[in-house]
Order: sequence, then structure tokens, then C-alpha cells
Amino acid sequence: ILNVEQSPQSLHVQEGDSTNFTCSFPSSNFYALHWYRWETAKSPEALFVMTLNGDEKKKGRISATLNTKEGYSYLYIKGSQPEDSATYLCALSGGSYIPTFGRGTSLIVHP
Amino acid sequence: DSGVTQTPKHLITATGQRVTLRCSPRSGDLSVYWYQQSLDQGLQFLIQYYNGEERAKGNILERFSAQQFPDLHSELNLSSLELGDSALYFCASSEGGQGAYEQYFGPGTRLTVT
Repeated sequence: ILNVEQSPQSLHVQEGDSTNFTCSFPSSNFYALHWYRWETAKSPEALFVMTLNGDEKKKGRISATLNTKEGYSYLYIKGSQPEDSATYLCALSGGSYIPTFGRGTSLIVHP
Repeated sequence: DSGVTQTPKHLITATGQRVTLRCSPRSGDLSVYWYQQSLDQGLQFLIQYYNGEERAKGNILERFSAQQFPDLHSELNLSSLELGDSALYFCASSEGGQGAYEQYFGPGTRLTVT
């Protein structure tokens, strides 16, 4: 069983702040890393899938980087808006393709 | 709307009973994943099917079973239900069977065992 850690557990920021959070995972047995956005009372929504060391992905104000050698990925949100409030999950797929999810970072953006 | 449908939305049943949860993947997706989310746990992977065949298995209890049918919809069967099986069950679908494809989640089925 792979151990996927996310930090911080929760984060409160003001509207307009930029923020970032971390997903750490064992660097061996890496196949792909997924980021999801999960709003309360909804289901997880895919943000990015990353497979290559040094990969960077961007969608609007949200971007992510990946370092498979040291076993971490960062998710950045530029100019946070109240609608960005959600739990951000990362999930690791190892060689067996079994996805292992972190516990998530809960982001609250105050207007 | 992800295009993945799950029925029923809510299910309340008694201990010892058996239930079936149903999932229809997005059009064109061949892979279906089942996940469980309990109150004190994160999302736990249960099982994956790809084009009708079991592809990967997580910590799925022996009392639970699943299958994917020729039309690609999938069912998760939970039997001899216990109070601890109360959870939100998600299915997700993806185009391919390997872990590098985006997964699209359904709205979930909330199971309450009393």
C-alpha cells in the first residue's frame, strides 16, 4: 500500500491570495499522479493527470508541478476566489494501477 | 455533469441485507472504478474493471463483489451488510484501463445500514 501525504490539512486564505499545497508520495513505483477538486456535496472533479518528472500542467489560475525523483507534487492557485473553496485531493497510481488517495487539503477562500 | 450516472442516490437498509449499486460510465469509457468513502476514511479504492474484465483490486471485502457487463455498465454487490458498511460509494470511469487516464466520477450512492 502506497502512502500519499497531503499538506497542509486545511488552509484559509483571503480572496486574491495565491496559495499552494503539497502532495508527497514514495518515489519508487510511480506511474501517474492525479489532482482532483472536490466541492462539498459534489463528486471529485479531475484537474490534472501527470506522468513525467518535471511535468507542469495549467488550467486557468490553477497549475501543478511534479517531481517524481523526490516524490512530490505542488498545486498552485493564483489569485484565489471564493469559488475555489473545496478539498483538493491527490491520488497516486503505482505500477499495479491501484489508485491511492491522500486525505486532501481543504481550502477556504474568504471574500 | 461528468456523464457518469449512479443509481440509486440513497439507500437505507438493515444489517444482514444485500444491495446492488449500479453505475453507467461516460459514453466511450471502457474502464469503471469503484470507491468507498466512510466518515473517518478518505477515498478507498475497491475494484476496477476494464472492458468487462477485472483489472485491479483494492481492499475490497469478500462480502462485496462487482462485475462489468457487455454494455459496460457495472454493478457493485454488497452482502451481509454491517453497520460499518455505511458510506458513500462512488464509481468513476475512464477511457483507458491504465492509471494515467482522467477519471470522471459519478454523483455517488449514499448507503446507510441500520
